[in-house]
Amino acid sequence: RKEVEQDPGPFNVPEGATVAFNCTYSNSASQSFFWYRQDCRKEPKLLMSVYSSGNEDGRFTAQLNRASQYISLLIRDSKLSDSATYLCVVNDIGGGADGLTFGKGTHLIIQP
Amino acid sequence: DTAVSQTPKYLVTQMGNDKSIKCEQNLGHDTMYWYKQDSKKFLKIMFSYNNKELIINETVPNRFSPKSPDKAHLNLHINSLELGDSAVYFCASSQENENIQYFGAGTRLSVL
Repeated sequence: RKEVEQDPGPFNVPEGATVAFNCTYSNSASQSFFWYRQDCRKEPKLLMSVYSSGNEDGRFTAQLNRASQYISLLIRDSKLSDSATYLCVVNDIGGGADGLTFGKGTHLIIQP
Repeated sequence: DTAVSQTPKYLVTQMGNDKSIKCEQNLGHDTMYWYKQDSKKFLKIMFSYNNKELIINETVPNRFSPKSPDKAHLNLHINSLELGDSAVYFCASSQENENIQYFGAGTRLSVL
């Protein structure tokens, strides 16, 4: 059974701090990796894709470790607006209903 | 202009009823999906569909059936609603063979 595991949190972090959380996946054949963000009572939205070499988008940095099968997300200089649930998403070969697996999400609360 | 739109936004109904949720995307995507997010916020795929293939998650009861009148629409029909069907249902779409999915705003179904 394919699984994506995340620490549900909540992570309570003061504004301006750096926060990082990880996600592990069970299927070594997984091909694509993403972080989605979901605000309360809203739909999930793509935050960033995760590439093997690691990638950065502004204050956000994503890393992939295929050997250990984990993905990380680092948020620097956190803002109040970063408060949300962050979903780790793994897509396997072929995609579709068999391919896309969501983690249960990590709840992040940025405090003033 | 909403890329993926679903109606209704809220649906409150009695146990045993039959209901439908509509989804439309104007992105020109080939593949559409239905997800269920339960009270524990776990997002789980139910179906993926393109003009070639319907892939069904084997855990979905056959009371749930997707119907696609054309490439831009994937409606969800639910027969004999049960209390456990109460959840938020998200529609999503993507371009075939691409992994990024765009979600609708969700339909909050409450079965009484």
